[in-house]
Amino acid sequence: DAGVTQSPTHLIKTRGQQVTLRCSPKSGHDTVSWYQQALGQGPQFIFQYYEEEERQRGNFPDRFSGHQFPNYSSELNVNALLLGDSALYLCASARGWGPAKNIQYFGAGTRLSVL
Amino acid sequence: AQKITQTQPGMFVQEKEAVTLDCTYDTSDQSYGLFWYKQPSSGEMIFLIYQGSYDEQNATEGRYSLNFQKARKSANLVISASQLGDSAMYFCAMRANSGNTPLVFGKGTRLSVIA
Repeated sequence: DAGVTQSPTHLIKTRGQQVTLRCSPKSGHDTVSWYQQALGQGPQFIFQYYEEEERQRGNFPDRFSGHQFPNYSSELNVNALLLGDSALYLCASARGWGPAKNIQYFGAGTRLSVL
Repeated sequence: AQKITQTQPGMFVQEKEAVTLDCTYDTSDQSYGLFWYKQPSSGEMIFLIYQGSYDEQNATEGRYSLNFQKARKSANLVISASQLGDSAMYFCAMRANSGNTPLVFGKGTRLSVIA
């Protein structure tokens, strides 16, 4: 049973460029959330997708956008990259839309470096 | 709004000894879940244990137990019989039970297990 998979594992971009990160949820999961983890910090919530719609959004600018496909996989897009976007981007999946006991399982993340 | 506080930036423990990692939280929600995740240097956020706010007993999962004291708003993680492989960052997190709200994380505690 495959867990949450993310690609690529590492990425180097320059300021002003655009990047797309990808996530395949754990088998049987249909909710996908994205988090940004800066060095030395805990993850910060970016947004969440369920039934191909963005359902919740954290305090991130519109440069951050996403998509969920019919197979429940998801993409995170970041436009006009800034140096401060350098971070580990984590994808988490869960089964259904509901209470806290629907555990979120994470992938290994994509480490983005903006030069 | 929810807040997680982890006051121990780093902890050391001797192999085979028990260790307690502290976590306090603040929320106005009556129904919520508390979580602990482990993050090795590889970056993946590994789910360890979950405690519901209305659960009468403290959660246990193998060598992990959660010391839940609701009145004090604390949810400490106890790891028994520490192993070298337990060396990692540990994050406490919470989310409300309503509306599939996102996880809110603390800043983490780095645990080092010494042989």
